[in-house]
Amino acid sequence: SQQGEEDPQALSIQEGENATMNCSYKTSINNLQWYRQNSGRGLVHLILIRSNEREKHSGRLRVTLDTSKKSSSLLITASRAADTASYFCATDARSGYSTLTFGKGTMLLVSP
Amino acid sequence: ETGVTQSPTHLIKTRGQQVTLRCSSQSGHNTVSWYQQALGQGPQFIFQYYREEENGRGNFPPRFSGLQFPNYSSELNVNALELDDSALYLCASSPGQGASMGTTEAFFGQGTRLTVV
Repeated sequence: SQQGEEDPQALSIQEGENATMNCSYKTSINNLQWYRQNSGRGLVHLILIRSNEREKHSGRLRVTLDTSKKSSSLLITASRAADTASYFCATDARSGYSTLTFGKGTMLLVSP
Repeated sequence: ETGVTQSPTHLIKTRGQQVTLRCSSQSGHNTVSWYQQALGQGPQFIFQYYREEENGRGNFPPRFSGLQFPNYSSELNVNALELDDSALYLCASSPGQGASMGTTEAFFGQGTRLTVV
């Protein structure tokens, strides 16, 4: 079953604009990660934010985490056509072993 | 590009057949997880192997089984294939294990696209 839900399901923007994707989850977590997937191939790790962190930056990426609302957001600033991909949030739940539970993803299309 | 390699990249099988998918983990990683990703969905956890032992399992029937070898490479076996098994199968390796450690990033291979006809 899916732990997280990304919103929106699809997002279409122009190059140079910012893209914001949201993720909600259901259970307590150790951390939350964002991954990117191009054309149904392998996933690439973007950023990890731990449950005791509220905000994290990596290049043009900014991630926030609100554990009280069980939600996270991924902001991509100054988007490029090469950012076109599907973006997934994945949670690592507090269980006996560490694994990732993914949402359904947001499909981002950046037009030149 | 990660150091995780999967083979084959594409595969077509007939319903009822058996299939074996292979994964070589990134050097130094002792934990391998397998995921199934149906079209338009997020990856779903199948199982995880840590030092050659199954360390956790998702909601998949017993006809999904696996192995991890001493060099930490891994296999996913699916028996009695069904049409709904058609999906992208992803292998991910990571350097650690255990909820007390927290999870670091997972390194994914490019996947095997399985089509069952």
